Amino acid sequence: AQSVTQLGSHVSVSEGALVLLRCNYSSSVPPYLFWYVQYPNQGLQLLLKYTTGATLVKGINGFEAEFKKSETSFHLTKPSAHMSDAAEYFCAVSDSGTYKYIFGTGTRLKVLA
Amino acid sequence: DSGVTQTPKHLITATGQRVTLRCSPRSGDLSVYWYQQSLDQGLQFLIQYYNGEERAKGNILERFSAQQFPDLHSELNLSSLELGDSALYFCASSQSGKADTQYFGPGTRLTVL
Repeated sequence: AQSVTQLGSHVSVSEGALVLLRCNYSSSVPPYLFWYVQYPNQGLQLLLKYTTGATLVKGINGFEAEFKKSETSFHLTKPSAHMSDAAEYFCAVSDSGTYKYIFGTGTRLKVLA
Repeated sequence: DSGVTQTPKHLITATGQRVTLRCSPRSGDLSVYWYQQSLDQGLQFLIQYYNGEERAKGNILERFSAQQFPDLHSELNLSSLELGDSALYFCASSQSGKADTQYFGPGTRLTVL
């Protein structure tokens, strides 16, 4: 069965500092992995996704994530945080067998001035 | 604007009642997903339809049902409502439903009194 674990329900960083949001997954088949962002009072929006190929995935707004099979991780990073990055971030896993999407519990990112 | 529309935006009803939430996918998308987001349960995948047929089922209660119509819009029916059903209900759509990017609507906020 698939599952997703996001470590840290709340993360605070200073403006300009590195953003690191952690995601670990469990899947019995090669996974498809996603990061979505949810701004207040809005629906979710895709940041980036990994399906196959290059393990370092670049997304929108300067975010990137690296698929590490040996660590079953798909952590999200951004070199320099902006105030506008304050939002909730969700990691998700899917596979071609079940078509189900499993979302993590979310990490709320706070950016301090 | 994701191109996915959901109506109504807000719904307030009483316990024991039945409501219908409506979703229109992006033009050209064949797959529709329904999610429930609440503070205690997080973002829960309910059900997915592809071109009118049910493709995947998540944590959807028996009191809930959904369908996708020939014009590809979808409805989520919630019956015998309980206080715990109060949540944000999101619809998302994608082209094929297989590791696709999902485009989320703005959500319907359901309050059960």
